[in-house]
Amino acid sequence: AQRVTQPEKLLSVFKGAPVELKCNYSYSGSPELFWYVQYSRQRLQLLLRHISRESIKGFTADLNKGETSFHLKKPFAQEEDSAMYYCALGGGTSYGKLTFGQGTILTVHP
Amino acid sequence: DGGITQSPKYLFRKEGQNVTLSCEQNLNHDAMYWYRQDPGQGLRLIYYSQIVNDFQKGDIAEGYSVSREKKESFPLTVTSAQKNPTAFYLCASSLDSWSPLHFGNGTRLTVT
Repeated sequence: AQRVTQPEKLLSVFKGAPVELKCNYSYSGSPELFWYVQYSRQRLQLLLRHISRESIKGFTADLNKGETSFHLKKPFAQEEDSAMYYCALGGGTSYGKLTFGQGTILTVHP
Repeated sequence: DGGITQSPKYLFRKEGQNVTLSCEQNLNHDAMYWYRQDPGQGLRLIYYSQIVNDFQKGDIAEGYSVSREKKESFPLTVTSAQKNPTAFYLCASSLDSWSPLHFGNGTRLTVT
């Protein structure tokens, strides 16, 4: 069975500090991993996907198959990064059939 | 902005009544999805449809039903058989089964 674990429900950092949001997954096939973000008063939206290997808003995430992890990182956090972040696992017949983690609320203090 | 619209934003029903949540998209997307969000549990897939007139059960389909008669519409009915219907419901669409999801703003359903 697919499973995504985000061990931190809440994460607080100060502006300019590095931030890492953890995500571990369990999947027997070839995983497709995503990070979705929900800013205050906005709808849930895609932040990045591992297959594209992009850096979005300074965030990066590397798929580590050995550790079954897909941690989201940013070297210098900004106040506007404060949001709810979801790690999601897709695969099989559709990237839309996602298994989501429980989410991490990131707060960046000034 | 346009894109994907869910209505209403808040919905209240008495226990034992069926209720239908609306989801409309003008993105010309083939695939549409319904997720349920409960506190501390992330999102769970209820139903999805990859093309008009076809849909499949997700992980928690019991007590729900859907239809996909038009490409732009994917209504979700929460039936009286759903044991814990009170939740936040999110609809999403994607260009195809392999494209990222676009989410609606959600409908918060309260059943008393």
